[in-house]
Amino acid sequence: EADIYQTPRYLVIGTGKKITLECSQTMGHDKMYWYQQDPGMELHLIHYSYGVNSTEKGDLSSESTVSRIRTEHFPLTLESARPSHTSQYLCASSVVGTGAGNTIYFGEGSWLTVV
Amino acid sequence: AQSVSQHNHHVILSEAASLELGCNYSYGGTVNLFWYVQYPGQHLQLLLKYFSGDPLVKGIKGFEAEFIKSKFSFNLRKPSVQWSDTAEYFCAVNAPYGNNRLAFGKGNQVVVIP
Repeated sequence: EADIYQTPRYLVIGTGKKITLECSQTMGHDKMYWYQQDPGMELHLIHYSYGVNSTEKGDLSSESTVSRIRTEHFPLTLESARPSHTSQYLCASSVVGTGAGNTIYFGEGSWLTVV
Repeated sequence: AQSVSQHNHHVILSEAASLELGCNYSYGGTVNLFWYVQYPGQHLQLLLKYFSGDPLVKGIKGFEAEFIKSKFSFNLRKPSVQWSDTAEYFCAVNAPYGNNRLAFGKGNQVVVIP
């Protein structure tokens, strides 16, 4: 069982509001990821991090930003939410370098609805 | 970049029926292959994975998958499903070195009728 936590699980927010989705893992994993998943669609990588102070854009362009100040924490922020940001956001982590570490562990997801 | 194709997005079947979900990928190099499952209201969980060795991989809950390199496929199977197998199933592929980024298929929504 993976120890990776996301809050909030569900959020309904008005257009123009700033939101931060929290993600924490207690496994000491260096690599962390944010995926976005619309209902019935595949997961798309929007951000990833190799470690502290490392952040990279993923395959799908996103208006969100991320930070990695601590190993265990990888929050995602939307400065001004819009209805097009309505989606599920999944945080994940993995160990760097080992064969077994190629397994990526997921949090429970944060469902964001912007009205 | 690799891409992953999953067919038959919605699958409905009765308990005790056999299940097979297809997965094809486009990456030409050495890959790691995964099946993840997401039960209703729960997070994505690893069902099984292939790194190397025996191409027939056994996972949890009676699932297995077969890696066929020549067909770029990693199909998931279960001989006899249960109602509790109702879930969404995602195939994923990554290259074993580098940034460990997973490419996911669109998923198969499987509903098992009691």
